[in-house]
Amino acid sequence: KNQVEQSPQSLIILEGKNCTLQCNYTVSPFSNLRWYKQDTGRGPVSLTIMTFSENTKSNGRYTATLDADTKQSSLHITASQLSDSASYICVVSPLGGSYIPTFGRGTSLIVHP
Amino acid sequence: DSGVTQTPKHLITATGQRVTLRCSPRSGDLSVYWYQQSLDQGLQFLIQYYNGEERAKGNILERFSAQQFPDLHSELNLSSLELGDSALYFCASSVSSLDSPLHFGNGTRLTVT
Repeated sequence: KNQVEQSPQSLIILEGKNCTLQCNYTVSPFSNLRWYKQDTGRGPVSLTIMTFSENTKSNGRYTATLDADTKQSSLHITASQLSDSASYICVVSPLGGSYIPTFGRGTSLIVHP
Repeated sequence: DSGVTQTPKHLITATGQRVTLRCSPRSGDLSVYWYQQSLDQGLQFLIQYYNGEERAKGNILERFSAQQFPDLHSELNLSSLELGDSALYFCASSVSSLDSPLHFGNGTRLTVT
């Protein structure tokens, strides 16, 4: 069964600090992995996409890494801002079949001033 | 703004009733997905349509049904509602079902009393 596990479940940091969120998956065969940001009461928004051959991808202060061998990804947020407070969801899409992506339960990040 | 429109934003109804949630996808997107997000839970995939045809089914209850119309808007029908059906229901659209990002609406919050 395809699964996506995220850790930690929640995280509280001070503004300006860095943090790293983790994602482990069992989806196979693997097509791509996306990180989404979901603000409270809003729909998720895609931050990054990574395919099998990519190790690192950046989008501003967000940097995602992927180790396809160990089936692990991380999302690093640099110099956090209050607006980074949100849920960050790891989503893994299979190669073939129905192509329906599997969602992790998300990491809830709170940035305090 | 994702370009995906969901109506209504909020819905309060009683157990046993039936409701219809509506989604207008982003212009040009042929795929529509429905997700359920219960309190503190991850996004659960319900069903996908592509250009009017059902493409994939997830953990959708028999009391729930959906369809995609020729103009590509979609409706999710929930009947014989139970308290446990209270959740945020998200619609997402994409260009195709492969590696395109999902563009989410801001959801319909359903409260069953």
